[in-house]
Amino acid sequence: AQTVTQSQPEMSVQEAETVTLSCTYDTSENNYYLFWYKQPPSRQMILVIRQEAYKQQNATENRFSVNFQKAAKSFSLKISDSQLGDTAMYFCAFSGGTSYGKLTFGQGTILTVHP
Amino acid sequence: EAGVAQSPRYKIIEKRQSVAFWCNPISGHATLYWYQQILGQGPKLLIQFQNNGVVDDSQLPKDRFSAERLKGVDSTLKIQPAKLEDSAVYLCASSLELRQNEKLFFGSGTQLSVL
Repeated sequence: AQTVTQSQPEMSVQEAETVTLSCTYDTSENNYYLFWYKQPPSRQMILVIRQEAYKQQNATENRFSVNFQKAAKSFSLKISDSQLGDTAMYFCAFSGGTSYGKLTFGQGTILTVHP
Repeated sequence: EAGVAQSPRYKIIEKRQSVAFWCNPISGHATLYWYQQILGQGPKLLIQFQNNGVVDDSQLPKDRFSAERLKGVDSTLKIQPAKLEDSAVYLCASSLELRQNEKLFFGSGTQLSVL
């Protein structure tokens, strides 16, 4: 069984600064995918970025990038030039093996961006 | 494009009562998911459909929870009878296909309070 751990319950950052959210996971699968989802107060989860485990290159999406360390089973999210609209709960998630489409989520990190 | 629609947005019931939630996925999406998100935790998959067939319901408490997806489109999740520990947000999601790296589109969820 897969587990996903987010050890930072809450984080805060000043507008325009950079913040990194941590995530570790445990799996025996060789082929899997990792995701970061954002959940604003509206409760609607939105995909921020995804990483394929067999790709060594870290994924980037505009101001969002990941640091994927496969051997350490670490998958952190870096948000550059933080904006007030980035305030939300962020979830790290795993999909792998025969669990097609099924996501295993971490506990989440509440990120607050201060003006 | 229209997103995943869920109703109701909020529901308050007494324990031992019954409740039903409705989900309309994005048009053309073959895969539909119901997740349960207890306060302070990440979402947990309850059931996964591919068209109108069940792919995974291993974490669905079948003695009280049931779900159906008639005609492979809309879906209903029912709880009968409800317990206090069922208080949670119930999120519906859909995806185009059943793949490991598939992007899930989430609705805004139904927040259930069992008193």
